[in-house]
Amino acid sequence: NAGVTQTPKFQVLKTGQSMTLQCAQDMNHNSMYWYRQDPGMGLRLIYYSASEGTTDKGEVPNGYNVSRLNKREFSLRLESAAPSQTSVYFCASTSGSGRDRDSNQPQHFGDGTRLSIL
Amino acid sequence: AQKITQTQPGMFVQEKEAVTLDCTYDTSDQSYGLFWYKQPSSGEMIFLIYQGSYDEQNATEGRYSLNFQKARKSANLVISASQLGDSAMYFCAMREAAMDSSYKLIFGSGTRLLVRP
Repeated sequence: NAGVTQTPKFQVLKTGQSMTLQCAQDMNHNSMYWYRQDPGMGLRLIYYSASEGTTDKGEVPNGYNVSRLNKREFSLRLESAAPSQTSVYFCASTSGSGRDRDSNQPQHFGDGTRLSIL
Repeated sequence: AQKITQTQPGMFVQEKEAVTLDCTYDTSDQSYGLFWYKQPSSGEMIFLIYQGSYDEQNATEGRYSLNFQKARKSANLVISASQLGDSAMYFCAMREAAMDSSYKLIFGSGTRLLVRP
């Protein structure tokens, strides 16, 4: 029961470096998401993908890019890392939608990536 | 804009007692949903319970139940018979419609619950 798998689990970067966070789900979900969690705060949406081939911005998209590689995989890229991007990053997926019959389906989360930028 | 407010940064409860974690929300949508997640110290996000705005009864899942008061725009989580393993952060989140019939979650800032033996 892999669910949502994120790699890496931990990463330390220097300011200005780039990196890609990987996320894969094996639940055949249409929608996938990237959130960040900062100390003392709830999760904030960075980007999401409602289906293969589509992506859209969330609340805090600046400094990030995403790619929905296929139905299973959704990656998050930091092109030029900044200390303000130090955070824990979560990937999530769901079969849920706004339609009534699917509206109660939760988002399933990966274990997170702890990213520090010096 | 939709908003979730959790006014209790931290709470204590004695083992085996019940505890209520508060969540109020603000939305202009007629159809919406509220989720509760648990985040233990290990960091993962665990789905606990869901309440839809049109659900006629309050949701229950084992020791978890929702005290849903639509007129007050509150969806408080009640944990009965607290256990030491209930010590964690708890997040309330609201479903917001997104593109292509998908949905996004708006999270509150969370409540840290500590269960005392």
